[in-house]
Amino acid sequence: GAVVSQHPSRVICKSGTSVKIECRSLDFQATTMFWYRQFPKQSLMLMATSNEGSKATYEQGVEKDKFLINHASLTLSTLTVTSAHPEDSSFYICSASLGGGSGYGYTFGSGTRLTVV
Amino acid sequence: ILNVEQSPQSLHVQEGDSTNFTCSFPSSNFYALHWYRWETAKSPEALFVMTLNGDEKKKGRISATLNTKEGYSYLYIKGSQPEDSATYLCAFVDYKLSFGAGTTVTVRA
Repeated sequence: GAVVSQHPSRVICKSGTSVKIECRSLDFQATTMFWYRQFPKQSLMLMATSNEGSKATYEQGVEKDKFLINHASLTLSTLTVTSAHPEDSSFYICSASLGGGSGYGYTFGSGTRLTVV
Repeated sequence: ILNVEQSPQSLHVQEGDSTNFTCSFPSSNFYALHWYRWETAKSPEALFVMTLNGDEKKKGRISATLNTKEGYSYLYIKGSQPEDSATYLCAFVDYKLSFGAGTTVTVRA
C-alpha cells in the first residue's frame, strides 16, 4: 500500500535554531500534502496544505514565516520550523491523499516529536 | 472551526468483550467521515471512509455506522483483542480533515 515516510521521528533543538521535517511518498506521487500539529490530549490540527510546485496554503493563525513549507517534487514535502522556541514544541505529522478528493482515506507519516529547549 | 467530538476519551476493555464509541460532527453540509486507527509510534491507518447516511462498513471485527442527519458515527469492536489497543480517530471531511481528539482503547488480556 501507499506509504509516507516522515523523518526525523524525534528531534531536540536549541531555542533559536531551525528544524526541518521531511515527508516522502514512497510509492505514489503526492501532489498535495497536509501538515498537522497536535498538542497533548488535543486533536490533530491542520496547519497548512502543501501543493507541488506552488505556495502552501496556511490555516488561519499559522505563521507562514515561522513554518516554511516546500513541496518541490511530487514525492517530497518539507516543513521547516524557523527560529524555534519552546512553545513550538509539539507533535507534527504529514499526510497525503491518494487522489479522488477527500472521499478517500489519507496516508499519514509516523510523525515528528519536536522538543525545543 | 468545526466541532468534532469523540467520546469517551479512553476506555479499557477486557479481552473478548465488545465495545463501541462515538464520533459526533456537524450535521449540515456533510461530505464524508473518515475513521483512522493509530497505534503508538506508528502512522494513523485509514479504517473506513463513510459517505452515505445509513452507511455500515466492516473490516474484520471492527465496524462503523453513520447517521448524517443527526451527526454521529459509531465504531464497534467485537470480541476485542490486545492488538485492537490503539487510538481511534474520526475526521469530518469538507475541504480539509477536521479531527476529533480520539478514543484510546486499551484491551486487557
